[in-house]
Amino acid sequence: DQQVKQNSPSLSVQEGRISILNCDYTNSMFDYFLWYKKYPAEGPTFLISISSIKDKNEDGRFTVFLNKSAKHLSLHIVPSQPGDSAVYFCAASDTGANNLFFGTGTRLTVIP
Amino acid sequence: KAGVTQTPRYLIKTRGQQVTLSCSPISGHRSVSWYQQTPGQGLQFLFEYFSETQRNKGNFPGRFSGRQFSNSRSEMNVSTLELGDSALYLCASSTGPQDLSYEQYFGPGTRLTVT
Repeated sequence: DQQVKQNSPSLSVQEGRISILNCDYTNSMFDYFLWYKKYPAEGPTFLISISSIKDKNEDGRFTVFLNKSAKHLSLHIVPSQPGDSAVYFCAASDTGANNLFFGTGTRLTVIP
Repeated sequence: KAGVTQTPRYLIKTRGQQVTLSCSPISGHRSVSWYQQTPGQGLQFLFEYFSETQRNKGNFPGRFSGRQFSNSRSEMNVSTLELGDSALYLCASSTGPQDLSYEQYFGPGTRLTVT
């Protein structure tokens, strides 16, 4: 049973516009959420994270929003750049555990 | 600081054989986690080791096992390989459970193909 879901397998966005990637989770025990970016033939690279005590975390062009009541988080990339084209995974963890539950990924393509 | 390294990068095995994959974590990191990535299932947690002890285990059969050495290096073993074991196996390291950021740093993975 997939506890973390990314329902959009792919997303195409024009360069300079906003990219919004979405993620839903079912386990209310999750208290930390992360986004990873993955290029082909490489391991995932950590991008940004958010604790369940916050509803927003920003790092440069990347902002993650968390809506605990809806069990939903999103990653906003503004402005999108061609180098952002990759597969994005959201992941979640629960208190005290050091294993991550991953979504199935969303392939972002930023069109120049 | 060197990143997480995994060896070998590519491997082809036959059904019924066994395989051992190796992972060297970032220097100073004491926790190593293993994940399996397949097109259908995405990234799935296999197990985590900290201080040579398995702390967590995912929902995989007993054919999948691992261990961690005193220098934090880790190996995972898959016995009696099945075609469905073909996947990218990723290793991730972190400082350990005391670090509540849960940030894990991934290696490039080992691509295992079972024929």
